[in-house]
Amino acid sequence: DQQVKQNSPSLSVQEGRISILNCDYTNSMFDYFLWYKKYPAEGPTFLISISSIKDKNEDGRFTVFLNKSAKHLSLHIVPSQPGDSAVYFCAATDPQAGTALIFGKGTTLSVSS
Amino acid sequence: DSGVTQTPKHLITATGQRVTLRCSPRSGDLSVYWYQQSLDQGLQFLIQYYNGEERAKGNILERFSAQQFPDLHSELNLSSLELGDSALYFCASSARYGTYEQYFGPGTRLTVT
Repeated sequence: DQQVKQNSPSLSVQEGRISILNCDYTNSMFDYFLWYKKYPAEGPTFLISISSIKDKNEDGRFTVFLNKSAKHLSLHIVPSQPGDSAVYFCAATDPQAGTALIFGKGTTLSVSS
Repeated sequence: DSGVTQTPKHLITATGQRVTLRCSPRSGDLSVYWYQQSLDQGLQFLIQYYNGEERAKGNILERFSAQQFPDLHSELNLSSLELGDSALYFCASSARYGTYEQYFGPGTRLTVT
């Protein structure tokens, strides 16, 4: 059973607008959350992370929000650029399972100019 | 470039065969992780090594095994291959045990015919 869910397989956004990618999780013990970006024929690239003790983390155009009560996190990209077009994976860590990452299935973001 | 290298990039083999995938972590990283990405699936954690010792196991089949050598490179051995083993296999490394951010290699695409 999927513990990390990305319910939107794809998202299309116009250049300059905001992209919001969503992620839900089922295990309230998860203590760290990460977002990765993946281009075709490349490995995932670390983007941004957030600890479960925070509700927001910002890095340039990227902001991650965490709502623990709803077991939901989101990645905001503002402004979106065509180079942001990629597959975005949400991942979490379970302190009982060490530092291995538990991934969602990904959301494909397409940013059109 | 993440600094993690994987060879080979592509591998085509027949059912019942055995293959070895190789990974060199980023310079100085002691932890190596292996993940499998099958069609339409997120990345699934297989196994982690830290400084030569196995640290955590995920959904790794008994037909699969791994090791990490004194120079910290790692190998993933897949034997008695089945059609369902066709997937992308990613290696990732991280600097210290307990660090959550992992840096991924470009992957090895395995096709079993």
